[in-house]
Amino acid sequence: GAGVSQSPRYKVAKRGQDVALRCDPISGHVSLFWYQQALGQGPEFLTYFQNEAQLDKSGLPSDRFFAERPEGSVSTLKIQRTQQEDSAVYLCASSIRILHEQYFGPGTRLTVT
Amino acid sequence: GQQLNQSPQSMFIQEGEDVSMNCTSSSIFNTWLWYKQDPGEGPVLLIALYKAGELTSNGRLTAQFGITRKDSFLNISASIPSDVGIYFCAGDLPGNQFYFGTGTSLTVIP
Repeated sequence: GAGVSQSPRYKVAKRGQDVALRCDPISGHVSLFWYQQALGQGPEFLTYFQNEAQLDKSGLPSDRFFAERPEGSVSTLKIQRTQQEDSAVYLCASSIRILHEQYFGPGTRLTVT
Repeated sequence: GQQLNQSPQSMFIQEGEDVSMNCTSSSIFNTWLWYKQDPGEGPVLLIALYKAGELTSNGRLTAQFGITRKDSFLNISASIPSDVGIYFCAGDLPGNQFYFGTGTSLTVIP
């Protein structure tokens, strides 16, 4: 019974680089969520998928952020031309259906230098 | 975004004491979830509440969904050192996403 996994756990990027963060949800979980968590804050919603459909991307902070889930399982969050303000922990969560209990991965800590 | 007011912001208690924290909102929520997060890890789900007035326990943890659907509390009885961490509430508006509180940092002094 594997939980949600994320990779890499840590990523250091130079300003201007592109990064890709991966999330493997719990098998059979239809809904997948991405959150951004700044130091000392609670997670903030970025986007969510129901299967392969991205139903809400209202939390993405800019058009440099892009998420996909092409086959309805693994998801990738891509950040283009990273900026220092993108430094945060990026959390992925999955749930068996939308607005049900969400289970989180360990997160990817992104540091932009 | 929605404001979830979580209090207290931090707590320092002696081992064995009971703990109470709460979360309030100006909006009516469908669901309340309580999570615990350890440093360097993702939040771990503790308790989920789905009905107004619902009282649910998970071991030493008890949480309630407020009657007005705008608040929830979490109690921890007989605290132990491994209860240390940050506790988050989260709630969802009808047909919308989950919003998280700012967290309560709990320190248990042995």
